Amino acid sequence: DAGITQSPRHKVTETGTPVTLRCHQTENHRYMYWYRQDPGHGLRLIHYSYGVKDTDKGEVSDGYSVSRSKTEDFLLTLESATSSQTSVYFCAMKGEFRTGELFFGEGSRLTVL
Amino acid sequence: RKEVEQDPGPFNVPEGATVAFNCTYSNSASQSFFWYRQDCRKEPKLLMSVYSSGNEDGRFTAQLNRASQYISLLIRDSKLSDSATYLCVATYNTDKLIFGTGTRLQVFP
Repeated sequence: DAGITQSPRHKVTETGTPVTLRCHQTENHRYMYWYRQDPGHGLRLIHYSYGVKDTDKGEVSDGYSVSRSKTEDFLLTLESATSSQTSVYFCAMKGEFRTGELFFGEGSRLTVL
Repeated sequence: RKEVEQDPGPFNVPEGATVAFNCTYSNSASQSFFWYRQDCRKEPKLLMSVYSSGNEDGRFTAQLNRASQYISLLIRDSKLSDSATYLCVATYNTDKLIFGTGTRLQVFP
């Protein structure tokens, strides 16, 4: 049991269309994160959440929004996808008392044509 | 400028070699530091924490130098299975984790 899953795992879409990526965890962890990973840039934090309805921006939040209506789900939305948002997106979770240990999902590969 | 910087490599070393990676961070408010390992096309996984006094985990040694704002990872007796990308991480306000770009290691026979 992975404890954290992402969907979809692969998606191809066109510029200007909305896209939502879903992250689901079964560990009741308080903290959840969305990162994107690109060659030459590594992992960059998009948004994170420290509780239901509590979210904050990361390094590269422009063009992205998030929502967390339940502890187990953290949604990342691209309101109008652009080619620069082609990337691999990783979701992660963290327990309250484990400062640095993130558990990542397997990643979602998004291609915007 | 990225908050956490690493030499991207690749570092190509023979089996049995000792290799060291450095990572610098720009925000002196960073509180905690970690090394993650990422295999090709896989998700990152925690390798080890980095403590001010330095710490070891088998063949891996991590060091922190707050005055110079860098952390290091030393791998002794490299194995083929150590081939991966090593990511440096700094935390802010406990719950915000910033990753470096990663250093790629390739160990050859």
